[in-house]
Amino acid sequence: KQEVTQIPAALSVPEGENLVLNCSFTDSAIYNLQWFRQDPGKGLTSLLLIQSSQREQTSGRLNASLDKSSGRSTLYIAASQPGDSATYLCAVTTDSWGKFQFGAGTQVVVTP
Amino acid sequence: EAQVTQNPRYLITVTGKKLTVTCSQNMNHEYMSWYRQDPGLGLRQIYYSMNVEVTDKGDVPEGYKVSRKEKRNFPLILESPSPNQTSLYFCASSLGLAGAGQETQYFGPGTRLLVL
Repeated sequence: KQEVTQIPAALSVPEGENLVLNCSFTDSAIYNLQWFRQDPGKGLTSLLLIQSSQREQTSGRLNASLDKSSGRSTLYIAASQPGDSATYLCAVTTDSWGKFQFGAGTQVVVTP
Repeated sequence: EAQVTQNPRYLITVTGKKLTVTCSQNMNHEYMSWYRQDPGLGLRQIYYSMNVEVTDKGDVPEGYKVSRKEKRNFPLILESPSPNQTSLYFCASSLGLAGAGQETQYFGPGTRLLVL
């Protein structure tokens, strides 16, 4: 069974530092991988989606890489800001219909 | 405004009393899904639907039912709720099949359920 792990569970950095968030999965047979952001008391917002055939995706200060063979994805957030404080979750799609497996998330605090 | 709505947002109920949490999207999305979120466990998928009248089980379907009679609605039914179904529930939708293309999911605001 696919398992998705995110380490660390929590992270605190000073404003301006780059953030590096890790996601690992046990079965490399994925269709795509998505990174989401969740603010307290709110739903999830999709940040980036990487197709299984892609190596990375970029959007503004965000860059996500995917290494299927090693079962890893990394989300980089450049020049962090206090507004980046949130919980970040990764999820993999394990079939073509839309079966998802989520990690437990990394809670990020960016201090001014 | 494009959105996924859930009702109710908060619900306290008692064991065994049937309840329904509604989910509706106004984006003409084919794919819809239900998740529950529990501390330390992340989101776990309950059921998903690829189109009208087509649904499949996620990782934790026990104790839940769903139906997809219209494209825009995907209600979650708890026939006989139990305390272990106390959780935060999210509905989500995407334009196409989530695994087949570049479809990102749009999430509703969540329904917090407490079963006594």
